[in-house]
Amino acid sequence: DAGVTQSPTHLIKTRGQHVTLRCSPISGHKSVSWYQQVLGQGPQFIFQYYEKEERGRGNFPDRFSARQFPNYSSELNVNALLLGDSALYLCASSLVASGSNSGELFFGEGSRLTVL
Amino acid sequence: AQSVTQLDSHVSVSEGTPVLLRCNYSSSYSPSLFWYVQHPNKGLQLLLKYTSAATLVKGINGFEAEFKKSETSFHLTKPSAHMSDAAEYFCVGPNRDDKIIFGKGTRLHILP
Repeated sequence: DAGVTQSPTHLIKTRGQHVTLRCSPISGHKSVSWYQQVLGQGPQFIFQYYEKEERGRGNFPDRFSARQFPNYSSELNVNALLLGDSALYLCASSLVASGSNSGELFFGEGSRLTVL
Repeated sequence: AQSVTQLDSHVSVSEGTPVLLRCNYSSSYSPSLFWYVQHPNKGLQLLLKYTSAATLVKGINGFEAEFKKSETSFHLTKPSAHMSDAAEYFCVGPNRDDKIIFGKGTRLHILP
C-alpha cells in the first residue's frame, strides 16, 4: 500500500512568488495535516483538514492557505513568499481528526522549499 | 501553551550504553502521547504511542517509554544504544485545541 505522498520533493522560489504543495493521504485516511519544519527545529502545526473542512489552524499568517479535495488529497498554498518560509513542509494523514483520540500521524517525506 | 516539553536539546551516549530522552507533558487528563524519530534527510517515523492501555509502551528498534501521571512524564529509553540510533527524536502530544503538537526535539549522538 502506498504511504503518504508529497510533491514536489524539492523546489526553489524567489521572494514574492507563490507556491503550491500537494499531498495524497494513505488510502482510507480522511484527515490531512500540514507542518512546517525549519532547519534545526521541530515541526510546527499549520493546518488540519478532515472531511474537506478545516479543523485547525496554527499560528501562521493569512499568506498560508490550504484545502482538501473530495478524494481527501490536499494542497498547501503560500503567497508572497518570504525568505523565512524556506523549510521542509510535511504532510501527515490520519484516520481521525482528534489528537487526543489516538490520532497517530503518518508522514510523507516532505517538500523542501527554498526561497531566494 | 506548549503541551509537551523535551528537556534536553542534545544527548550524547556511548554505543552499548543506555539511552534516556526526557519529555514532560502538560495536561489535566491522560492524553495520547507519541515519540517520533527523524533520521537525517528522512521523514518522520513513529517509534511508539501511549493511549492509556498500558503505562509501559514498547516500540520499534528496542525503544520503550513509560507514562508516569504523577510526574507528568513520558521519557523514552533504550537499554543499549546502537550507532544507527543517531537521529532527532520528537515527543508529540495534543495541545488544548486537540491538535498534534511536536516538542522541540532532542538530537541523540552516539559515541563509538
